[in-house]
Amino acid sequence: EAAVTQSPRSKVAVTGGKVTLSCHQTNNHDYMYWYRQDTGHGLRLIHYSYVADSTEKGDIPDGYKASRPSQENFSLILELASLSQTAVYFCASSQGADERLFFGHGTKLSVL
Amino acid sequence: QQNVQQSPESLIVPEGARTSLNCTFSDSASQYFWWYRQHSGKAPKALMSIFSNGEKEEGRFTIHLNKASLHFSLHIRDSQPSDSALYLCAVSMGNYAQGLTFGLGTRVSVFP
Repeated sequence: EAAVTQSPRSKVAVTGGKVTLSCHQTNNHDYMYWYRQDTGHGLRLIHYSYVADSTEKGDIPDGYKASRPSQENFSLILELASLSQTAVYFCASSQGADERLFFGHGTKLSVL
Repeated sequence: QQNVQQSPESLIVPEGARTSLNCTFSDSASQYFWWYRQHSGKAPKALMSIFSNGEKEEGRFTIHLNKASLHFSLHIRDSQPSDSALYLCAVSMGNYAQGLTFGLGTRVSVFP
């Protein structure tokens, strides 16, 4: 089964601080995604990438940056963390735009 | 922007019963239709997908798609306690520019 690993598993951050969430996949997939999951909002797409060194905005990109330095790695950066960014963040990869997503185990972020 | 709605919000069914979940979408140009399952505290995992009108069966799971009605559904035959989870439907426009849009989910509880 395809493998997507996220780090850290959980993080507590202070308001205004910088947070970096990392994702690594060993699937040789071109597509990678960052979603956030909140109660009442389901899974929402933040950023995605279909090739190294290029990222695209998803549905809720404000307050987030993304970086794809290689095919295997995709990071999500919160430059100035805010309370509203408390959520569970999932990274995913897929072989193509119409293929199934393989999700990592998620990162629980709490901003205080 | 794509709007994906799921019903019901939650469902309690006895073991062995049939479970039916619904999903509606707003964009008639949608191409791929997915069901994901997420056990508590775990990552979402793809169950199955369909891209043409009709029915598709895989084991105890069946998807029905009616593009004209902007509706698809998931049916679980002989529901088991291990089927207790959050079920997420997702819709894709078929190109990387849109990604997957998820519904809020239906929480299913199967009691023995």
